[in-house]
Amino acid sequence: NAGVIQTPRHKVTGKGQEATLWCEPISGHSAVFWYRQTIVQGLEFLTYFRNQAPIDDSGMPKERFSAQMPNQSHSTLKIQSTQPQDSAVYLCASSLTGNTLYFGAGTRLSVL
Amino acid sequence: GQQVQQSPASLVLQEGENAELQCNFSTSLNSMQWFYQRPGGSLVSLFYNPSGTKHSGRLTSTTVIKERRSSLHISSSQTTDSGTYLCALELDSNYQLIWGSGTKLIIKP
Repeated sequence: NAGVIQTPRHKVTGKGQEATLWCEPISGHSAVFWYRQTIVQGLEFLTYFRNQAPIDDSGMPKERFSAQMPNQSHSTLKIQSTQPQDSAVYLCASSLTGNTLYFGAGTRLSVL
Repeated sequence: GQQVQQSPASLVLQEGENAELQCNFSTSLNSMQWFYQRPGGSLVSLFYNPSGTKHSGRLTSTTVIKERRSSLHISSSQTTDSGTYLCALELDSNYQLIWGSGTKLIIKP
């Protein structure tokens, strides 16, 4: 069991460029979460999938952020027209419903 | 108001001393989870504890629902225990986690 795998580990984009972040949850886990972490805001919930279906995206900035889970083995978080304030560590986590949450190592996004 | 209050915000101890971290919550919960994060590192689950006491090596988690609190005890602390400890409240019948603000623990040699 390799745990939750996130790629890339680091991504640098220029302002206005697109960024796509990838997550491979632990096999068999039905719940997948995306969080964003900054020093100022701490951990912020972005979105949640259960059995691949989007359940709650209330934490997503609506205009430029989107998340998908096309199959049970991966999820993507796409940020269009990245802005400096999008710089953060983006964390993906998975769990069996109602159980321990396992986090990936995160993707550090830096928008210049 | 804030549903999870974590204390202390920071704690500095000498190696070998015991650490006691607290989370108090103001709403009913399904479970409390404790996580550890090293600077620049990801979150590692320490305990999933809906109620009662759980042990893992030098770590002990105790959740007392009727008193609306959960604690994390680290005995005989080591310098490698340094980092940030976060509690997260899993709400009743809900997937959402409400996060504490974290305790930054520094263990001096």
